[in-house]
Parts: sequence; C-alpha cells; structure tokens
Amino acid sequence: GQNIDQPTEMTATEGAIVQINCTYQTSGFNGLFWYQQHAGEAPTFLSYNVLDGLEEKGRFSSFLSRSKGYSYLLLKELQMKDSASYLCAVRDAPKLSFGAGTTVTVRA
Amino acid sequence: KAGVTQTPRYLIKTRGQQVTLSCSPISGHRSVSWYQQTPGQGLQFLFEYFSETQRNKGNFPGRFSGRQFSNSRSEMNVSTLELGDSALYLCASSLDSGANVLTFGAGSRLTVL
Repeated sequence: GQNIDQPTEMTATEGAIVQINCTYQTSGFNGLFWYQQHAGEAPTFLSYNVLDGLEEKGRFSSFLSRSKGYSYLLLKELQMKDSASYLCAVRDAPKLSFGAGTTVTVRA
Repeated sequence: KAGVTQTPRYLIKTRGQQVTLSCSPISGHRSVSWYQQTPGQGLQFLFEYFSETQRNKGNFPGRFSGRQFSNSRSEMNVSTLELGDSALYLCASSLDSGANVLTFGAGSRLTVL
C-alpha cells in the first residue's frame, strides 16, 4: 500500500522561508513530485526528484532522500501569492499517489 | 496550446442518479487520469486510460467507470450516486502512460443532495 504524510497546515510571514516535509512508505518508488494548488484551481507541477539531493528552481527547492523515504519542499522569500495547498506525490509506476496536501498561509 | 478542459465545471445531482464527466486532454497527450479530491483525503486515484485502454485502476467501487475515445478525450461515469460522491473530480493528461508529469484540468465539482 501507499502511505504519504505531510503536515496539514503551515503559516509563515511574507519574505520568510517555509519547509514542507513529506514522508512516504510505498511498495515501489520511481520519483517524487510536488504540485501547487490554489483554492478553486487545478494543481500545477512544481518539481520532480528521482535521485537523492536538492533540486533548485528559483524560489522553490525540493529535496529527496530515498533511503529515509523523505522529501521536503522549500519556499524562500515567501510572497502572498504562495498561499496555496502543496501536494506531495510519489510515483510507483504506473501509479501516482498523493498526500493529503499542506495548506500554506502567508501573512503580511 | 490549450490546457486540459473539463466539463461541466459544476453540477448538482440527487442520490441514485448517475453522472457523466468529460475531459479533453492537451493536444498530443495520449494518457488521461482521473482523480477524486475531497477535503482531508487529498487526491484519490480513480483510473488511467491510454490509447483507449484502461491501464490502471484505483480502489473505487464498480459504480465508477470510464472510457477513452480515439481522439484521447475521456469520460467518467458514476452511477447510483451517493452523498459521499460529492467531490471535485480532476482529470489530468500526460504524453505517455506511467504517471509522468501530469497537467490537470480545473475539475468538475459534483454535489450530491
């Protein structure tokens, strides 16, 4: 079976840094995705990790440790528009299983 | 390049009815996946279609079904609706099967009364 855990909610101040953790226990592993979903909108792709280490893409970075079944998404220089739900998803081909999502609220 | 289009965006049904949702993938994408999203449950995988064949299926009852047409457009059907079927149904497309990067549609929000 698949078990993907991430915190339900996080709050941070504009300009700050927030780290969203994701731990997973899956029968197989072919990569980990992060998606962003604003309220009432479709999830949009943020990042993909298949090898251990850090992937940086502008203000967003994603880290993966396969041996620990652990990933995090780092959001730097937070902006109000970053208020959204962040979804961790694990690929165990051909399936893609999602965590319940972390709602990030950015306050002025 | 048009995105993934889902229709209808909103609909209200009563228990016992059936519903059909439609999804048009990005041009050139041959894989279409369907997910159910409810508060607290996250996205639950329903099924994936590729080249008109169901490639993978989640743990949903047989009331949930789908199909894909030769132009890659897909439909999903839910029969004998229950209150618990109220959810946002998301369709996502990708170039190939195997859960590569998915592009999601805005979803169809179903309310069952």
